Amino acid sequence: AQSVTQPDIHITVSEGASLELRCNYSYGATPYLFWYVQSPGQGLQLLLKYFSGDTLVQGIKGFEAEFKRSQSSFNLRKPSVHWSDAAEYFCAVDNFNKFYFGSGTKLNVKP
Amino acid sequence: DTGVSQNPRHKITKRGQNVTFRCDPISEHNRLYWYRQTLGQGPEFLTYFQNEAQLEKSRLLSDRFSAERPKGSFSTLEIQRTEQGDSAMYLCASSDKTGDYEQYFGPGTRLTVT
Repeated sequence: AQSVTQPDIHITVSEGASLELRCNYSYGATPYLFWYVQSPGQGLQLLLKYFSGDTLVQGIKGFEAEFKRSQSSFNLRKPSVHWSDAAEYFCAVDNFNKFYFGSGTKLNVKP
Repeated sequence: DTGVSQNPRHKITKRGQNVTFRCDPISEHNRLYWYRQTLGQGPEFLTYFQNEAQLEKSRLLSDRFSAERPKGSFSTLEIQRTEQGDSAMYLCASSDKTGDYEQYFGPGTRLTVT
């Protein structure tokens, strides 16, 4: 079955620590890949996207993600987390104009 | 550019009633998408339009759900004979080719069916 998996429901990191959020997908071809962030009471905001080319993509707010075809993964990273990064993060794929989101990872940031 | 707007922001209805939600996309965005998001889950894609054409509707949850975009601008999502399981946040997004079809999301309409 086609799916997007975010194995970590909740993650807590200390402010200033590094962050990696995992995302795996299962589709026959390489879909377009996205990471979104959703803060309480806010709409979904696109952090970054991968269509093709360089497998390391840079996004807004200091985030980056790496596409690994062999692992069907698209993990999100940030070298130093800020308290304002506390939010819910969603990985998403566009597979021939059918859109699928993961169930999300809630990030808590400790002072 | 005021972003994607959705109305109403909240809707409480009784089971069995029909409800209609409106989405106004960013002006000149030719694609418009509808999603449903339940608590603790990611958005679930329902349907999308390119201009007034509904190009994908196989993901609509049942025949009680329908969407229109009659003039290629705003869109409506209707749920007939609502059920308690329809309680969710309904999200709208829009995009266009100049932005690589990046989807801009609205704030959503929260539906509560009692």
